[in-house]
Amino acid sequence: DQQVKQNSPSLSVQEGRISILNCDYTNSMFDYFLWYKKYPAEGPTFLISISSIKDKNEDGRFTVFLNKSAKHLSLHIVPSQPGDSAVYFCAALQSNAGGTSYGKLTFGQGTILTVHP
Amino acid sequence: GAGVSQSPSNKVTEKGKDVELRCDPISGHTALYWYRQSLGQGLEFLIYFQGNSAPDKSGLPSDRFSAERTGGSVSTLTIQRTQQEDSAVYLCASSLIPGSSYEQYFGPGTRLTVT
Repeated sequence: DQQVKQNSPSLSVQEGRISILNCDYTNSMFDYFLWYKKYPAEGPTFLISISSIKDKNEDGRFTVFLNKSAKHLSLHIVPSQPGDSAVYFCAALQSNAGGTSYGKLTFGQGTILTVHP
Repeated sequence: GAGVSQSPSNKVTEKGKDVELRCDPISGHTALYWYRQSLGQGLEFLIYFQGNSAPDKSGLPSDRFSAERTGGSVSTLTIQRTQQEDSAVYLCASSLIPGSSYEQYFGPGTRLTVT
C-alpha cells in the first residue's frame, strides 16, 4: 500500500520557468510533510517542510503548498535553474504517532527533475 | 565532517555471501534509520532505532536482514546469504528526536551489487 505517491516519474523544464512537483497521500493521519532533493551518488538532502496547520511555506525559490482536503501537496521552484536538476522525494509523517512510529517518514517514489539551460 | 557517514561506499559481493554495512550517525542524534533504494524506486524503509527503545523492524524484507545499533551510536546492517534482488543503494539517516523538526540527515549510501 503506497501511502505517499508521486505519480510523475519525471519532469522537464526550461531554465527560468516554474517547476511544479506533485505529491498525493492517502493516510489522513499524516500531518507533517517534507521535500528532499537527491543528486546521483549522494544521500537525499532536506529542502523544505510544512505542517498541516499551514497551507503554504516559502523559502527563497522554493514554495510548498498543502491541500489537506485533497490530500495533495506540491513543490514550486521558481525560477528553475539547471542546478535544480535532481530527484525530488516527498515524505510524510504522523507527528503524534506513539511508540516506534514516532518520527518515521514515509517516502514517495521520487520525481526526476531536469532543468534545461 | 559532522554529517552521517557510511562505509563502504561500494560493495560487490557474490550471491550467497554475507555483507555488513556500517553507519555513523550525527553525534547526539537519537534516531537512526535504514532505507534502501532499488533501481528506479523510491526510498524503502527498512528499520528504525530510537534511543533505547526496541527497534521498528517492520520494513525488513526477510529474516536474512538484521541490524544492530551499539551504544546508541554506530549501526550495522547485515544481509546474510545475499541474493541478486538485494542489489540496491542502502541509505542511513539520523535525526534528533524529539526536535523542532522531523528532518532526517542522510549519509551518502552504500551501493551494494550482488553478482
